[in-house]
Amino acid sequence: DVKVTQSSRYLVKRTGEKVFLECVQDMDHENMFWYRQDPGLGLRLIYFSYDVKMKEKGDIPEGYSVSREKKERFSLILESASTNQTSMYLCASSLRGATNEKLFFGSGTQLSVL
Amino acid sequence: QKEVEQNSGPLSVPEGAIASLNCTYSDRGSQSFFWYRQYSGKSPELIMSIYSNGDKEDGRFTAQLNKASQYVSLLIRDSQPSDSATYLCAVNEGSGTYKYIFGTGTRLKVLA
Repeated sequence: DVKVTQSSRYLVKRTGEKVFLECVQDMDHENMFWYRQDPGLGLRLIYFSYDVKMKEKGDIPEGYSVSREKKERFSLILESASTNQTSMYLCASSLRGATNEKLFFGSGTQLSVL
Repeated sequence: QKEVEQNSGPLSVPEGAIASLNCTYSDRGSQSFFWYRQYSGKSPELIMSIYSNGDKEDGRFTAQLNKASQYVSLLIRDSQPSDSATYLCAVNEGSGTYKYIFGTGTRLKVLA
């Protein structure tokens, strides 16, 4: 069974802390994505990656960075967490192929920044 | 700003009825269209994809695409209480990209 695994289901951090969210997929997918989901705002793309060591900004990259050192792993980093980064974070992956490839999502990390 | 619009609902339908969910998009270059279902507290899962004008049926689900009107819909026949969820419309951002724009979702409630 294909899987996208996010390291934590719930996370509580303090303002100013550096936060790492990890995502691992076992499907040999080239594309990986980080979204955040907030009530009334839907899923918004933070960063994505087409290949190892490659990254591109999504729609809301401010305050975030990413790392992709290995094909199966895509990390989201909050350099200095702020309360407005409290959200549900969803990692997803897809095959590169054509542009009609579906996204496989992880189970999400609910991050609270106090 | 490329957008995908959905009515947030809730859309309430009685068990056994047809539920009709709608989505409009702004980018005429979009080629791939998806419907994801998201249960409360869970992550989205794909239920339908459609790439060309017309209807595509899969079991109780039918996706309809009209590129001229920039409109995608999802019909759920014989709605069941287990269909109660939020349905997200997703559209790829345009030719040659793997980026997807999501609507905010329509909450569906199927009443037993």
